[in-house]
Amino acid sequence: QITLKESGPTLVKPTQTLTLTCTFSGFSFSTSGVGVGWIRQPPGKALEWLALIYWDDDKRYSSSLQSRLTITKDTSKNQVVLTMTNVDPVDTATYYCARATQWLVLFDYWGQGTLVAVSS
Amino acid sequence: DIQMTQSPSSLSASVGDRVTITCRASQGIRNDLGWYQQKPGKAPKRLIYAASSLQSGVPSRFSGSGSGTEFTLTISSLQLEDFATYYCQQHNSYPLTFGQGTKVEIK
Repeated sequence: QITLKESGPTLVKPTQTLTLTCTFSGFSFSTSGVGVGWIRQPPGKALEWLALIYWDDDKRYSSSLQSRLTITKDTSKNQVVLTMTNVDPVDTATYYCARATQWLVLFDYWGQGTLVAVSS
Repeated sequence: DIQMTQSPSSLSASVGDRVTITCRASQGIRNDLGWYQQKPGKAPKRLIYAASSLQSGVPSRFSGSGSGTEFTLTISSLQLEDFATYYCQQHNSYPLTFGQGTKVEIK
């Protein structure tokens, strides 16, 4: 059974750095082609892809947010961490992590999402 | 970046209706497209991949078609559980991009 779960703060102040962790089970970065990505959704708005990391440490980022994002993985812990610097109230959203593969970069398993508010 | 434009943004339909949602890409993406369904407060669920392949476990009333720049998601006979928001996503090139969503509401 494949599961993913996001964790991190529910409230962050403007200009701070947001760190989110995705902990997954049922698959592993030891498997060729596996990737885990982050997608966010502001309240009432559309999905926005943020970043993706693959089993071989290939990393991909959103064009508009690339300068503020860093994605890393810990293969031994089955975790992926996303950091976003200099947050702003417009970054308030539900943040999802989800699994994809290098040959089909569509997300087949998703976490439940975690709502992060940016406010002073 | 490849822009994905869905139409309509929302629609009202009745149970049993045939519903079609369109997704247009700003440049050709072959068939590198998927469709997701999202219900309020829930994570998206993948319905279709490779533009027309049905995800395992998804009812056969859902179908996808298209290639290049124009794609459609069709629900042949709308059921109560299908009232949701639908998103397309291209994976032809990075950055990955989603459409803005189509909300299917009860008439």
